[in-house]
Amino acid sequence: DQQVKQNSPSLSVQEGRISILNCDYTNSMFDYFLWYKKYPAEGPTFLISISSIKDKNEDGRFTVFLNKSAKHLSLHIVPSQPGDSAVYFCAANGLLGGTSYGKLTFGQGTILTVHP
Amino acid sequence: EAGVTQFPSHSVIEKGQTVTLRCDPISGHDNLYWYRRVMGKEIKFLLHFVKESKQDESGMPNNRFLAERTGGTYSTLKVQPAELEDSGVYFCASSQRTDTQYFGPGTRLTVL
Repeated sequence: DQQVKQNSPSLSVQEGRISILNCDYTNSMFDYFLWYKKYPAEGPTFLISISSIKDKNEDGRFTVFLNKSAKHLSLHIVPSQPGDSAVYFCAANGLLGGTSYGKLTFGQGTILTVHP
Repeated sequence: EAGVTQFPSHSVIEKGQTVTLRCDPISGHDNLYWYRRVMGKEIKFLLHFVKESKQDESGMPNNRFLAERTGGTYSTLKVQPAELEDSGVYFCASSQRTDTQYFGPGTRLTVL
């Protein structure tokens, strides 16, 4: 049962353009969402997060949008750079009985390739 | 500030052997997590320590896996005996609170 889904296995974008990575979730108990970037042979690197009390969070070139009613979030990268080429994972955390239970549930990842 | 470190970076063992993976979290982080990524699939949760106590071990596949965090500092994950399906990349992560988790580089385990 995949509670967090990234339906696009890969995305190819031209340098300077916008990259939009999408993520859907099914568990309504999730209330904190994160995006991680992963290069080959390295661990996931935290990029940006958003709490369910917000619908947008911005950090430099990276913006995450959350649509709670649709259980959908997206990561926008503007402008895209070749160094952004990596696997991007969406992850969700949530509350159980009022206490954060810590574990992250990940999507399958999207391979982003930014062409010069 | 040093990040999460993991040792070894790679391990190749025969089926039936024992392997122990080590994770050193970021200093001061009480929360320590183990995750596993198998065959390029999603990263899956294994367990969560708060200091030396197991907070959640719902993701541990079976009793061949044993995790410890004596003294609430570093953690070890032992697989005994290892099976072919245990191959994958094992990630450790740590956090101060249970929100943003910072990951180590992973240990790639190959069971032959």
